[in-house]
Amino acid sequence: GQQLNQSPQSMFIQEGEDVSMNCTSSSIFNTWLWYKQDPGEGPVLLIALYKAGELTSNGRLTAQFGITRKDSFLNISASIPSDVGIYFCAGRVSKTGGGADGLTFGKGTHLIIQP
Amino acid sequence: GAVVSQHPSWVICKSGTSVKIECRSLDFQATTMFWYRQFPKQSLMLMATSNEGSKATYEQGVEKDKFLINHASLTLSTLTVTSAHPEDSSFYICSARTAGTGGRTEAFFGQGTRLTVV
Repeated sequence: GQQLNQSPQSMFIQEGEDVSMNCTSSSIFNTWLWYKQDPGEGPVLLIALYKAGELTSNGRLTAQFGITRKDSFLNISASIPSDVGIYFCAGRVSKTGGGADGLTFGKGTHLIIQP
Repeated sequence: GAVVSQHPSWVICKSGTSVKIECRSLDFQATTMFWYRQFPKQSLMLMATSNEGSKATYEQGVEKDKFLINHASLTLSTLTVTSAHPEDSSFYICSARTAGTGGRTEAFFGQGTRLTVV
């Protein structure tokens, strides 16, 4: 089956630092999504990307859909304590609207912020 | 934003018994619901996709007779873990999505159900 390689697995950073994480795939995805999951909760959507090359921001978060459609990255600028959590990339083969296929998730990046 | 609610949030059951988990879309009609399983410190793995009024589509390796999915209405899907065993202990998460009308509609996730089989 399809797999997403997400890195790094974990990050220990100082408050205020910028963060970068990425996902790569051996196959093409037509939708890339980035989620944050807090302990004991379901994932919450941060950014959705639908077009190769697309660069989208959501506050301090910026994500890009790779040109090859096989990769995506997420950047967090000026990290704050509430950014702590696990970040997952997810890919979907179908585009918007009609597709009813589920998501393939990366293994997650555990972000830890040191005061 | 749209709300998806799961019940119960956690459940402990004895080995060999069955457990039902509910997933409800509270303020929208979910034509498609997805069920995922997440083991500790692991990623979410798609188990099955269900469309209202039709049989669920299971991912490879997921036993349909063990994980019974029912999507009888546009706001409710249930997952029943039959004859549960300790290896079924996991975090089960549903997501619900409404049919797109050409727009970009992503599924919303429930808060998850922690199942512990003893």
